[in-house]
Amino acid sequence: RKEVEQDPGPFNVPEGATVAFNCTYSNSASQSFFWYRQDCRKEPKLLMSVYSSGNEDGRFTAQLNRASQYISLLIRDSKLSDSATYLCAVLAGNNRKLIWGLGTSLAVNP
Amino acid sequence: DAGITQSPRHKVTETGTPVTLRCHQTENHRYMYWYRQDPGHGLRLIHYSYGVKDTDKGEVSDGYSVSRSKTEDFLLTLESATSSQTSVYFCAISEPGHPGVEQYFGPGTRLTVT
Repeated sequence: RKEVEQDPGPFNVPEGATVAFNCTYSNSASQSFFWYRQDCRKEPKLLMSVYSSGNEDGRFTAQLNRASQYISLLIRDSKLSDSATYLCAVLAGNNRKLIWGLGTSLAVNP
Repeated sequence: DAGITQSPRHKVTETGTPVTLRCHQTENHRYMYWYRQDPGHGLRLIHYSYGVKDTDKGEVSDGYSVSRSKTEDFLLTLESATSSQTSVYFCAISEPGHPGVEQYFGPGTRLTVT
């Protein structure tokens, strides 16, 4: 089993839809989690950090489920500009490195 | 946006030649990282640094070396480039505790080895 796994998608949703992605992790001792957004041919950009049960920022909500070892990202009222790849990252045990998922592709259609 | 620059942004080189990529930051962050990103493999850590002259290997370090003589600069060297090192290279920085261990990325370098 990979340390961090994501459904690659693609997720195709209409504008205004609500969409959720999950990211599972294997190390039950992990404490810090991150969602990044990456546009085509661009660098990853931090979207949200999750240090406790969850985090919310506008239309975006991240939730942590420690019992089942996954974090989710919920996007409400999807915009065309939300089309991107969403990367999940988990802090490694030595607190110096992030373990990355391969990303989930989202396409929001008019 | 975090003050991170990478140079060059694009490079085409021939197999067997040495190549050095530079990452420069103006944030005074202690940690710096070099990743490569390839289709189907995602972000893979090459080397990282947790302070001046302190570096460690990542998961794909073979064929790469790094140096960090100043806080603001982290150099990645391909001693003898091979076609398998054609990739997009990202530098990232992090300062634990400010606020957490988030990493911020530079714009990337597209390297093609012919």
